[in-house]
Amino acid sequence: QVQLQESGPGLVKPSETLSLTCTVSGGSVSNYRYYWSWVRQPPGKGLEYIGYIYYSGDTNYNPSLQSPVTISLDTSKNQFSLRLFSVTAADTAVYYCARMTRGNPAATYFDYWGQGTLVTVSS
Amino acid sequence: SYELTQPPSVSVSPGQTASITCSGDKLGQKYAFWYQQKPGQSPMLVIYEDNKRPSGIPERFSGSNSGNTATLTISGTQAMDEADYYCQAWASSTSYVFGGGTKVTVL
Repeated sequence: QVQLQESGPGLVKPSETLSLTCTVSGGSVSNYRYYWSWVRQPPGKGLEYIGYIYYSGDTNYNPSLQSPVTISLDTSKNQFSLRLFSVTAADTAVYYCARMTRGNPAATYFDYWGQGTLVTVSS
Repeated sequence: SYELTQPPSVSVSPGQTASITCSGDKLGQKYAFWYQQKPGQSPMLVIYEDNKRPSGIPERFSGSNSGNTATLTISGTQAMDEADYYCQAWASSTSYVFGGGTKVTVL
């Protein structure tokens, strides 16, 4: 069974870059059947899709995000990463990495999730 | 932008049926997905493609989707079903979108 584990700093200063890595075990990020994604959840609030990356390097990002974002892939380490630039307090959230099924976008969903990691943006 | 609207809370007695709605423009023409999230845990898929259950999800969870509303139904609700539930869909304008979540309380 696939497992995902987030890692990275729990505290980031305003205007700096938030960087997180997701390590995948029990499956390969090079599997053509899946996308690898990030979702966040501000404390006490709902879920927000950030974006995904495919093994080919193709990416998709939420057009509603206020902060610029980049998702990258390291197939040699079976990892993918999130970078969120120029963060503000509004970016404080639990960040989840998740696997998405690949296919018709309307039929794509999140089938496995990491446990999540809290990132606080504060000086 | 595309939005999904859920009631903030639903209360149900043990053994009764809980219905959680998710409203969006022409949602019935899209697929709806449902996730369960218990306190301190990550979300878990309970319904995909409107009405399909992943392996390991109890039969008491079912889904439907028509018109502007998708519905998650929990039949014979148990105390372990107390959680937040989120609907999700895809729209070309907003990519993958989640509803605001519904807290199900089993009284």
